Amino acid sequence: GDSVTQTEGLVTLTEGLPVMLNCTYQTIYSNPFLFWYVQHLNESPRLLLKSFTDNKRTEHQGFHATLHKSSSSFHLQKSSAQLSDSALYYCALSAGMGYKLTFGTGTSLLVDP
Amino acid sequence: GGIITQTPKFLIGQEGQKLTLKCQQNFNHDTMYWYRQDSGKGLRLIYYSITENDLQKGDLSEGYDASREKKSSFSLTVTSAQKNEMAVFLCASSIGEGNSDYTFGSGTRLLVI
Repeated sequence: GDSVTQTEGLVTLTEGLPVMLNCTYQTIYSNPFLFWYVQHLNESPRLLLKSFTDNKRTEHQGFHATLHKSSSSFHLQKSSAQLSDSALYYCALSAGMGYKLTFGTGTSLLVDP
Repeated sequence: GGIITQTPKFLIGQEGQKLTLKCQQNFNHDTMYWYRQDSGKGLRLIYYSITENDLQKGDLSEGYDASREKKSSFSLTVTSAQKNEMAVFLCASSIGEGNSDYTFGSGTRLLVI
C-alpha cells in the first residue's frame, strides 16, 4: 500500500536559520497528491500547502515545497525560521481513488530564540 | 464557515468497556474519517466513509466499529477498551476528491484506567 516517510522525529534549530523537513513517499499510482499539514500545540492539524504538479514550487505562509516524482520527494522548506513555526508537521499522500490520506509519522520542529 | 464538533473532548473509560466517540460536521462534506494520533506514530486511519451508510476500513480498524447513519455525523466505537491505553482520536471531513483538503475536529482524548 501507500506509505510516507518522514525521517526526522525532532528538528531543533535557532530562529533565523533555514528549515528543511524531509518527506518521501511510495505509491504505485503515477499522479499522487502531496500535502503538508501543521499542528500547533493544543490545536488540530490544518493544511499548510499541497501539490500534484511535478517540479513546480508551491508556496504558502513563507513555506515552500516542490514535488519531485523522480525521487518521490516533497520536502518542506523555509528560508528563515520563526519562533511561531514551532509545531508538529505531517506530510501526507493521496493516490489512486483519492478518498483517503496516508500520513507520515510527523516531524516536531522546535525553534529556539 | 463550517465546523467539525467532536464529543466528548475527554473520555475516561475502564478496561473492557465499550466506548463511543461522536463527530458532527456542517460543511456538507461527503467523506468523513477517523484517525488515531499517537506520539511518534503519526495519524493512522481507523475508518472512513465516502457517503451516508458507507463504511471503509482503514489500517487500524481492528478493535473498532463505526457508523455513518447521516451525512453530517460519523461515530466511532472502541469495542473493548485496553488497560492503560491513551490516545487522541481525530475526526476529519472532506469533499472526497484526491486533492481536497481535510478539515479536522479538535479531537477526543481517551484514557483507559
